[in-house]
Amino acid sequence: GQNIDQPTEMTATEGAIVQINCTYQTSGFNGLFWYQQHAGEAPTFLSYNVLDGLEEKGRFSSFLSRSKGYSYLLLKELQMKDSASYLCAVMDSNYQLIWGAGTKLIIKP
Amino acid sequence: ETGVTQTPRHLVMGMTNKKSLKCEQHLGHNAMYWYKQSAKKPLELMFVYNFKEQTENNSVPSRFSPECPNSSHLFLHLHTLQPEDSALYLCASSQGGRDQETQYFGPGTRLLVL
Repeated sequence: GQNIDQPTEMTATEGAIVQINCTYQTSGFNGLFWYQQHAGEAPTFLSYNVLDGLEEKGRFSSFLSRSKGYSYLLLKELQMKDSASYLCAVMDSNYQLIWGAGTKLIIKP
Repeated sequence: ETGVTQTPRHLVMGMTNKKSLKCEQHLGHNAMYWYKQSAKKPLELMFVYNFKEQTENNSVPSRFSPECPNSSHLFLHLHTLQPEDSALYLCASSQGGRDQETQYFGPGTRLLVL
């Protein structure tokens, strides 16, 4: 079966750095997405990786290793507004998105 | 503002009621999706429409009935629902091609079935 694993919850301190991991087992691979979802709001697109390596976008970076079935989202200089759930999703060989259950990130002052 | 709107934002209904959820996208996309989001579970894809044609129906019970009259509008008709259908229902849209199918989501309808 297809599976996406990410931690259920993480806690970090304002101003610090946090890394949210995602491992996947899917039938085929056509890219990996990270979304941010604040409580009661729509998921919003953060990043897309289809090739190995690190993609940097401001305070957020996303890394992919296809051989290891692994990705991480790195958040730097954490702000209170970064408190949200972070969803990892992989597009499989049928171009269907397979979703993880999300990681709830709690930022403390 | 994400360009995808959903109404209503909240809905409470009894098991014998009939209601409809509405989604509208203003992004010029050709694909639209319905997802179910339950607490601490992955997003569950329910239906996909590509150029107004239904291309996916992931074994969704018949008490959920989608309708896509044009590429900008998507409805989810609900009837004789069960309490376990209580969840957040999210609509999304994407370009419709296969290159980088980034999906853009609406804010969702929070549904409670009593």
